Amino acid sequence: GEDVEQSLFLSVREGDSSVINCTYTDSSSTYLYWYKQEPGAGLQLLTYIFSNMDMKQDQRLTVLLNKKDKHLSLRIADTQTGDSAIYFCAETPDSGGGADGLTFGKGTHLIIQP
Amino acid sequence: EADIYQTPRYLVIGTGKKITLECSQTMGHDKMYWYQQDPGMELHLIHYSYGVNSTEKGDLSSESTVSRIRTEHFPLTLESARPSHTSQYLCASSGITLAFGQGTRLTVV
Repeated sequence: GEDVEQSLFLSVREGDSSVINCTYTDSSSTYLYWYKQEPGAGLQLLTYIFSNMDMKQDQRLTVLLNKKDKHLSLRIADTQTGDSAIYFCAETPDSGGGADGLTFGKGTHLIIQP
Repeated sequence: EADIYQTPRYLVIGTGKKITLECSQTMGHDKMYWYQQDPGMELHLIHYSYGVNSTEKGDLSSESTVSRIRTEHFPLTLESARPSHTSQYLCASSGITLAFGQGTRLTVV
């Protein structure tokens, strides 16, 4: 089946930029997502990008998509302690956003050092 | 602002009890989902529904059952809870994107 891979942990210092990487195998991916999960909570959609886009920026968040290499990244500028969470990459070929076709990575734990 | 609600947030219950985890959404979404997630771990899809009277099993086998009698409501039931059912259960619904509830953390003792 389709696969989404992420590093399990990333440690950065407060104020630095965090870059969380994700690779996927599904060549027909239409939507790619980043979700954030704080301790004890559900997943919060941070941002998403269509496969015909290369980059999307929203305040401190920048998403880069390299469709040729099937590589997605999330950059968080000026990382704060409140950014400490698990970040999930997900993709689907389903333009209707149906999660039965949504494949999640295992999540990257972002650890902020003071 | 949450438009998908799960209750209870936390539940500790004894082995053998029947439990129902509630999930409701106010967005009119047809598609709804249940995921199981151990702490700090990956998500596993256990049930989904395309609409009223539609229920399907997900990728991970689960002893739980679901029902979809109303569009906005997608409860999950465990007939006889066991310690192996201890986990976090996340409900979600989808339009263009997938929206999650806050989750129910279930502990079976």
